[in-house]
Amino acid sequence: AQSVSQHNHHVILSEAASLELGCNYSYGGTVNLFWYVQYPGQHLQLLLKYFSGDPLVKGIKGFEAEFIKSKFSFNLRKPSVQWSDTAEYFCAVNAREGSARQLTFGSGTQLTVLP
Amino acid sequence: DAGITQSPRHKVTETGTPVTLRCHQTENHRYMYWYRQDPGHGLRLIHYSYGVKDTDKGEVSDGYSVSRSKTEDFLLTLESATSSQTSVYFCAIRLAGGRFSYNEQFFGPGTRLTVL
Repeated sequence: AQSVSQHNHHVILSEAASLELGCNYSYGGTVNLFWYVQYPGQHLQLLLKYFSGDPLVKGIKGFEAEFIKSKFSFNLRKPSVQWSDTAEYFCAVNAREGSARQLTFGSGTQLTVLP
Repeated sequence: DAGITQSPRHKVTETGTPVTLRCHQTENHRYMYWYRQDPGHGLRLIHYSYGVKDTDKGEVSDGYSVSRSKTEDFLLTLESATSSQTSVYFCAIRLAGGRFSYNEQFFGPGTRLTVL
């Protein structure tokens, strides 16, 4: 079974600081990887996704993530955060073999950006 | 928003009563999912459907049942609600099919359920 770990539960940054949120997954096969964002009171929105190819993927709002297969990691980065980035961020993995229908989510990281 | 709506958006009910949540989509997607979101747990899959009348259990299916009699509607029923089922429930659809499918999911607005 696949699992996802997000080790940072709450991150507090000042505006213009750089962001890196950790995500590690456990699954031995080929995966699709995702980062979702949930702004206060809203539903989850897709930030970016990795399917194959270039391990550095760029998403919306200046976010990017790097897939490092040897480390089973898919960390999310942003060079300069804004107050509007305050939200909860979820990493998710989808195994591409077998019952490739389910997303498994991490427990989420709450990001607070101070103005 | 992938044309997903959920109803009701908020509900308060009492322990022991049955509750049905509805997810409706307008884009004829084959795969639909029900998740619950709880602090510290992220989203956990309850049930999912891969076609009309085709459903399967997820990680936390105990106490829940689902039905899908039409492509556009996926119903989640709490047979006898308990306080542990107080949560926010999200429906999702999956973009699927084709060689370059990313298997990404798009989420509805959620239903906040409180069981007293």
